[in-house]
Amino acid sequence: GENVEQHPSTLSVQEGDSAVIKCTYSDSASNYFPWYKQELGKRPQLIIDIRSNVGEKKDQRIAVTLNKTAKHFSLHITETQPEDSAVYFCAASNVDTGRRALTFGSGTRLQVQP
Amino acid sequence: NAGVTQTPKFQVLKTGQSMTLQCAQDMNHNSMYWYRQDPGMGLRLIYYSASEGTTDKGEVPNGYNVSRLNKREFSLRLESAAPSQTSVYFCASGRGVRYEQYFGPGTRLTVT
Repeated sequence: GENVEQHPSTLSVQEGDSAVIKCTYSDSASNYFPWYKQELGKRPQLIIDIRSNVGEKKDQRIAVTLNKTAKHFSLHITETQPEDSAVYFCAASNVDTGRRALTFGSGTRLQVQP
Repeated sequence: NAGVTQTPKFQVLKTGQSMTLQCAQDMNHNSMYWYRQDPGMGLRLIYYSASEGTTDKGEVPNGYNVSRLNKREFSLRLESAAPSQTSVYFCASGRGVRYEQYFGPGTRLTVT
């Protein structure tokens, strides 16, 4: 089955700096890669996702890049703000099967220092 | 439009007790999922249901059973709770033509 590894496990940045979180996946059949943000005690919420036919996607201050050959994808947050502090999870799945269940990375705790 | 709802929010069980976690969605989604979240391990799939009337095992199904009661509801049952099942349980749902999964608020379960 799919295995997703995520680094780093914790990340501390100064407000206004950029943050980068990286994930690798093992199953070349995976073709959908979402990123979720989870605040303390809350549910995971989708912040951005990318399909395998796209190399990069941006939404305001966040962007995701995908390298299918190397089987890794990254989340980039620019101009970080204190409200970006949360745990971020990457995930992978194959949406061409009926299953579509997500395999998650172990999470990155991002702390943005004001 | 409540999205995905879960009951209860919190539960404490003694080893060997049984209970059912309830999940319902009002978004007319075909697929529903149960995940558990343990510290430092992300979310792991327990069971999923691709459509009404079907269920399949995920990554960590041992000790659990599920029922897809109808299109809206997907329940998770612990027949004989063990301390290793102490976790936060999330239900999620998704639609066929879109890939995003929507999560419920979670159930925090402690087994003593």
